[in-house]
Amino acid sequence: NAGVTQTPKFRILKIGQSMTLQCTQDMNHNYMYWYRQDPGMGLKLIYYSVGAGITDKGEVPNGYNVSRSTTEDFPLRLELAAPSQTSVYFCASSWGNEQFFGPGTRLTVL
Amino acid sequence: AQSVAQPEDQVNVAEGNPLTVKCTYSVSGNPYLFWYVQYPNRGLQFLLKYITGDNLVKGSYGFEAEFNKSQTSFHLKKPSALVSDSALYFCAVRAVGGSQGNLIFGKGTKLSVKP
Repeated sequence: NAGVTQTPKFRILKIGQSMTLQCTQDMNHNYMYWYRQDPGMGLKLIYYSVGAGITDKGEVPNGYNVSRSTTEDFPLRLELAAPSQTSVYFCASSWGNEQFFGPGTRLTVL
Repeated sequence: AQSVAQPEDQVNVAEGNPLTVKCTYSVSGNPYLFWYVQYPNRGLQFLLKYITGDNLVKGSYGFEAEFNKSQTSFHLKKPSALVSDSALYFCAVRAVGGSQGNLIFGKGTKLSVKP
């Protein structure tokens, strides 16, 4: 199993541009999550999904959108990038109480 | 509101010495508690969890954690630190009955083990 994979690894965006962060898991997990990690701030939950077709907001959803058309994929969309969205983004999936994390996407908005 | 506090930004330990990384929590009802480790430029990896039962939980890489309900703490411990244990450690909590998505993370503690 590849586990949780994320693309791209790094990206630089200009203010106002849009992009999609891709996340795929091959463990057949129903639950998937998007977090952002800012220095000294730990992880903040952006959105999560309990299964295909079902998504819900986390702690910091503003400026982001998600979709879950399949069990495997959970893309995160930034429509109008802002410098405040400069962060490291982690996707995760879970089975029971254990979450499995991807390697992260480092995003810089200039 | 649920919260997790990791009072130390950094813990420095000499190799071979015991280590403790502190975590306290606030949650309504009984908690599910977790420790994760993050190595540089990597995602978080699960170390151990407390759901119910024995207050001393054993996890990966020789780590253990002690649940103390009266002190609302869940400190991470290891009897003998290794240089390779140097990483960022996160404590997390979820209320029993809460959604699997509702996991609250602490800010993280950087562990530095010197030879």
